[in-house]
Amino acid sequence: GENVEQHPSTLSVQEGDSAVIKCTYSDSASNYFPWYKQELGKRPQLIIDIRSNVGEKKDQRIAVTLNKTAKHFSLHITETQPEDSAVYFCAAFSGNTPLVFGKGTRLSVIA
Amino acid sequence: GAGVSQSPRYKVAKRGQDVALRCDPISGHVSLFWYQQALGQGPEFLTYFQNEAQLDKSGLPSDRFFAERPEGSVSTLKIQRTQQEDSAVYLCASSFRAGVGYGYTFGSGTRLTVV
Repeated sequence: GENVEQHPSTLSVQEGDSAVIKCTYSDSASNYFPWYKQELGKRPQLIIDIRSNVGEKKDQRIAVTLNKTAKHFSLHITETQPEDSAVYFCAAFSGNTPLVFGKGTRLSVIA
Repeated sequence: GAGVSQSPRYKVAKRGQDVALRCDPISGHVSLFWYQQALGQGPEFLTYFQNEAQLDKSGLPSDRFFAERPEGSVSTLKIQRTQQEDSAVYLCASSFRAGVGYGYTFGSGTRLTVV
């Protein structure tokens, strides 16, 4: 089945700097890659997703890139703000199996 | 409702006790998923329903875990004879579309602590 690896597990950045979180997946048939943000004690919330027919998607300060050949995808957050501090999860969908999640990245934005 | 609602929000169970966790998905959402999230980990898939049909239960860790969605809306996850390793947050998610390859809306979860 699908296996998703996520790096780094923790990330600290200065406010205003960029943050990049990377994920790799194992199943070349995977075609849907969402990213979720989870604040402490709250539900995971979908922040952006990408399908395998595009290489990049952007929504204001966040963007996701996908490299199908290398089987990796990345989340980019620019001009980080303290409210971006949270745990971020990547996920991959392959075939008819539900989403497989990475282990998460704890992002801390230091004011 | 406006979102996915889960109850109870917190549950403390004595080892060996049975528990039932409820999920009320967004009205009209066809797909419903249960995930288990251990502390500091990502959500791990348990089971998936499309309407009332349980299409995938491959993630249920043992036969002590049972889920149902009899009328295609509310779902219950039942854990019999709870063990300490069952302590986790149980997340329910729903999706408007049938099938599994779409964004999910998660509930706030039930934090189960087995003592």
